[in-house]
Amino acid sequence: DVKVTQSSRYLVKRTGEKVFLECVQDMDHENMFWYRQDPGLGLRLIYFSYDVKMKEKGDIPEGYSVSREKKERFSLILESASTNQTSMYLCASSLLRGYYEQYFGPGTRLTVT
Amino acid sequence: AQKITQTQPGMFVQEKEAVTLDCTYDTSDQSYGLFWYKQPSSGEMIFLIYQGSYDEQNATEGRYSLNFQKARKSANLVISASQLGDSAMYFCAMTRANTGNQFYFGTGTSLTVIP
Repeated sequence: DVKVTQSSRYLVKRTGEKVFLECVQDMDHENMFWYRQDPGLGLRLIYFSYDVKMKEKGDIPEGYSVSREKKERFSLILESASTNQTSMYLCASSLLRGYYEQYFGPGTRLTVT
Repeated sequence: AQKITQTQPGMFVQEKEAVTLDCTYDTSDQSYGLFWYKQPSSGEMIFLIYQGSYDEQNATEGRYSLNFQKARKSANLVISASQLGDSAMYFCAMTRANTGNQFYFGTGTSLTVIP
């Protein structure tokens, strides 16, 4: 059974702080993704990675960076958090080739004050 | 750019009735995959159903079926015999060949099942 876990369900940070969101999957998936979800906007892709140390920008990478040092772990980094980064962050993983469903973590609701 | 459109921000359905959630997509590719996800108020994204662009038959999974009309570029989700637990956000998504299974999501439809 695929499991994707995220380090926190709720997080409150101050403007300017460096924020780390961690995601771990246990199914040996090549692909990992970070999305942010905002009401009325659906899920928007921030970054994804198809291999260790590889990363690709999604639709809204500005203000974010990522790190993938191990296959099972994909971290999202907010270098200097801002209030407009208050959102729900969802991590997902999938197999690389073909059309496969993405498996999602429970999400992290980040509030930047 | 690939695009998924869900035109119904909110829908209501009576318990035990069927409901159709609309999804249209825009791609010039011949090969692609279409997905529907459910997101209850708890927040987790639950995969419901998948349709491949070359699949000739509409996909079905229990009470869920996907009404795939390729020429119209639509992939509507049909939920039969609605239950109170079906109240949730529903998202349509598409992936294309050679994109590393990158998904493009619609903005979602909020479904409320009325007892």
